[in-house]
Amino acid sequence: DQQVKQNSPSLSVQEGRISILNCDYTNSMFDYFLWYKKYPAEGPTFLISISSIKDKNEDGRFTVFLNKSAKHLSLHIVPSQPGDSAVYFCAASVDGGGATNKLIFGTGTLLAVQP
Amino acid sequence: DTGVSQDPRHKITKRGQNVTFRCDPISEHNRLYWYRQTLGQGPEFLTYFQNEAQLEKSRLLSDRFSAERPKGSFSTLEIQRTEQGDSAMYLCASSTTPTSGSSVDTQYFGPGTRLTVL
Repeated sequence: DQQVKQNSPSLSVQEGRISILNCDYTNSMFDYFLWYKKYPAEGPTFLISISSIKDKNEDGRFTVFLNKSAKHLSLHIVPSQPGDSAVYFCAASVDGGGATNKLIFGTGTLLAVQP
Repeated sequence: DTGVSQDPRHKITKRGQNVTFRCDPISEHNRLYWYRQTLGQGPEFLTYFQNEAQLEKSRLLSDRFSAERPKGSFSTLEIQRTEQGDSAMYLCASSTTPTSGSSVDTQYFGPGTRLTVL
């Protein structure tokens, strides 16, 4: 069963506009969410995270919104730049209390920012 | 801070052969994770170390897979009697125990080892 879902395999946006990437989850025990960016032939690069006690976290051009009642989070990139073109993964974890904090990933969304 | 490194970056092997991958985490990171990523999917958790102790293994980690972190620093992942279904990107990530009240961490990934089993 896919506990973290990214239903849009791809997204195309014009440079300078807003990119909105969406993620849904099913496990209500998740309490920490992360976004990673991945270029071909490289490992995922951490972008931004949010704890379940918050509903928004902002870092520069990147903002993550969390709606716990809807089990939905989104990543906003404003303004979008051509260098943002990559695959974006949403990931979630449960506070393991010192044990594993394994990440459960979605299947990714390919973002293409057109110049 | 040189980041997480993995070696080799690419490995091509014939079915039935054994392969071993190495991961060097960010220095002083006490947590180390292995994940596997296949085409069109997100990374899937394989196993987790805290220092030298292997605390969790996924059911994806069959008996042919073994991982070690002997001194709590670098880690190795060995696959015995490789099968074509083992072809994937093997990713290593490391993190450190947070100092805040929560124990959730931010994992930093290496570049991965691309395995192709012929």
